[in-house]
Amino acid sequence: AQRVTQPEKLLSVFKGAPVELKCNYSYSGSPELFWYVQYSRQRLQLLLRHISRESIKGFTADLNKGETSFHLKKPFAQEEDSAMYYCALVFPSGSARQLTFGSGTQLTVLP
Amino acid sequence: DTGVSQDPRHKITKRGQNVTFRCDPISEHNRLYWYRQTLGQGPEFLTYFQNEAQLEKSRLLSDRFSAERPKGSFSTLEIQRTEQGDSAMYLCASSKTGRFGYEQYFGPGTRLTVT
Repeated sequence: AQRVTQPEKLLSVFKGAPVELKCNYSYSGSPELFWYVQYSRQRLQLLLRHISRESIKGFTADLNKGETSFHLKKPFAQEEDSAMYYCALVFPSGSARQLTFGSGTQLTVLP
Repeated sequence: DTGVSQDPRHKITKRGQNVTFRCDPISEHNRLYWYRQTLGQGPEFLTYFQNEAQLEKSRLLSDRFSAERPKGSFSTLEIQRTEQGDSAMYLCASSKTGRFGYEQYFGPGTRLTVT
């Protein structure tokens, strides 16, 4: 069965330090991958998607099909990056295109 | 249009009671999703509507759960004979068909507590 794994429930880094949030998936095909973020007391929102190869708020994510990973990276973390981050995927063959989420990583950026 | 809205935001009910939640999607979005999120987990897919048709249901959606989307606008999710295991955050999301039609916009959620 398809699965998304985020191995770190909690991650703390200091302001200005690099940050990497790990995401691995299990799927033999080519899924569409996303990172969603939830700031304190706000709703879940899309951060970025792999097909657009974009950088949002300084974050990037590269799809590595060999390692089935889609890690989220930022070279210099900011305090406002503190939030819950979810990796998610969609299987392109499905008509519903529902999201399958990982369990999330709570990022805390320390001053 | 300020985005997806859900009502109520919080619901406390006693075991065995029925509850109904409402979701109002972004007006031009034809796709609507329900997810459930329990503590420490990511959201899990429950069901999907395209316009008024319910096209997919998860195995998580037991017979006590029913969802509707009359006229392809708002949607309701009803849980009958609630159990303590139903306590969770229920999220609604909507999207539209297009190049990035799978970009889902989420509502604030309805937190259900079954006592």
